[in-house]
Amino acid sequence: QVQVVESGGGVVQPGRSLRLSCAASGFTFSSYNMHWVRQAPGKGLEWVAVISFDGNNQYYADSVRGRFAISRDNSKNKSFLQMNSLRVEDTAVYYCAKGGGWYEAVEYWGQGTQVTVSS
Amino acid sequence: SYELTQPLSVSVALGQTATITCGGNDIATKNVHWYQHKPGQAPLLIIYRDSKRPSGIPDRFSGSNSGNTAALTINTVEGGDEADYYCQVWDTTNVVFGGGTKLTVL
Repeated sequence: QVQVVESGGGVVQPGRSLRLSCAASGFTFSSYNMHWVRQAPGKGLEWVAVISFDGNNQYYADSVRGRFAISRDNSKNKSFLQMNSLRVEDTAVYYCAKGGGWYEAVEYWGQGTQVTVSS
Repeated sequence: SYELTQPLSVSVALGQTATITCGGNDIATKNVHWYQHKPGQAPLLIIYRDSKRPSGIPDRFSGSNSGNTAALTINTVEGGDEADYYCQVWDTTNVVFGGGTKLTVL
């Protein structure tokens, strides 16, 4: 069955960097877009970024553009989120998720990994 | 940027019908997707392309989309339906979520 497992979360100081990983299985990884979505404490879901199935296109929310970078390694069935210049307001649970095509639903989500930005 | 508006909360008695709305400008021209999110769990896709149900989602869940409002309807509400519900669309190359609605089962 489809599995998506995030890792790499933790506590980091403002201004520092963190790299999240997402390991996928149970589907043809190289055929699907992949998303990162986050949920800050007490808040709703906020989309962060998407990468196309072939890695050629990446799109970002305004709140992270220029600081975060999404990537993927189709040979290893993994997606990554490089987070630089972290801010306190980036504190959230970060979910990796399997997308459908463009304009389609976010089909399957992982359990999430906690990122806490604090001095 | 495109905005989606959901009520903060909806309450419904056990066994009754709950309707959660999602407002957006000309939302009928977009595909609307709905997610159920329970505390400590991964969000779950329950409706895609306005009204289609993924495999395994009970037919008590249904969706509609017309004009400036999409809606998620849950018939014969059960205690296990208590959760946060989010609508979602694409705005060009960005994904947009509604603010979420907390469904309380009385």
